[in-house]
Amino acid sequence: KAGVTQTPRYLIKTRGQQVTLSCSPISGHRSVSWYQQTPGQGLQFLFEYFSETQRNKGNFPGRFSGRQFSNSRSEMNVSTLELGDSALYLCASSLADPSRETQYFGPGTRLLVL
Amino acid sequence: GESVGLHLPTLSVQEGDNSIINCAYSNSASDYFIWYKQESGKGPQFIIDIRSNMDKRQGQRVTVLLNKTVKHLSLQIAATQPGDSAVYFCAEIPGSGNTGKLIFGQGTTLQVKP
Repeated sequence: KAGVTQTPRYLIKTRGQQVTLSCSPISGHRSVSWYQQTPGQGLQFLFEYFSETQRNKGNFPGRFSGRQFSNSRSEMNVSTLELGDSALYLCASSLADPSRETQYFGPGTRLLVL
Repeated sequence: GESVGLHLPTLSVQEGDNSIINCAYSNSASDYFIWYKQESGKGPQFIIDIRSNMDKRQGQRVTVLLNKTVKHLSLQIAATQPGDSAVYFCAEIPGSGNTGKLIFGQGTTLQVKP
């Protein structure tokens, strides 16, 4: 069974631009969570989607948004990029309830904002 | 507040020795804990998990111990190998109503000396 896949793997943007990252969960998994990883803040929860609905959200500004499609694939969008948005963005999937099931992570998308 | 911390940022061990990585958590309502391993350039990889109704769980060469009295979690790796070199994160689910929200510690870098 294929793991969680994320595209693109690397991205360079400039301040003020917007970016869209994509995540395909493990087949059969319907919950998708997103995390931001930086050296200073570590791994921080962004949001979680299930059945095309956002169920939980972390403490990030409204510039960070996401969505989930009927096939459980998910995208996250960051608008008006800032230098501090440079990070590794990780997607994780689980069957349905990540509070009770293992979350499996993808390789991440490394975003550099110049 | 919510936080999961690790006692040491770096642990250096000799190949073949046992490794013990420690983690303290602050939310007594957390009932699910996970250890992840992250190698350079990759996403976190699930190692082992434990629920609050257990105090010990064993996997292949790994054991997780949970002490709810002092809110402490540890990961023991037997016969540490060079391939175990990575950053290890403990994570908790901070209780009901926080679907998908893993709270991660800062990570411990395990260095295995040949």
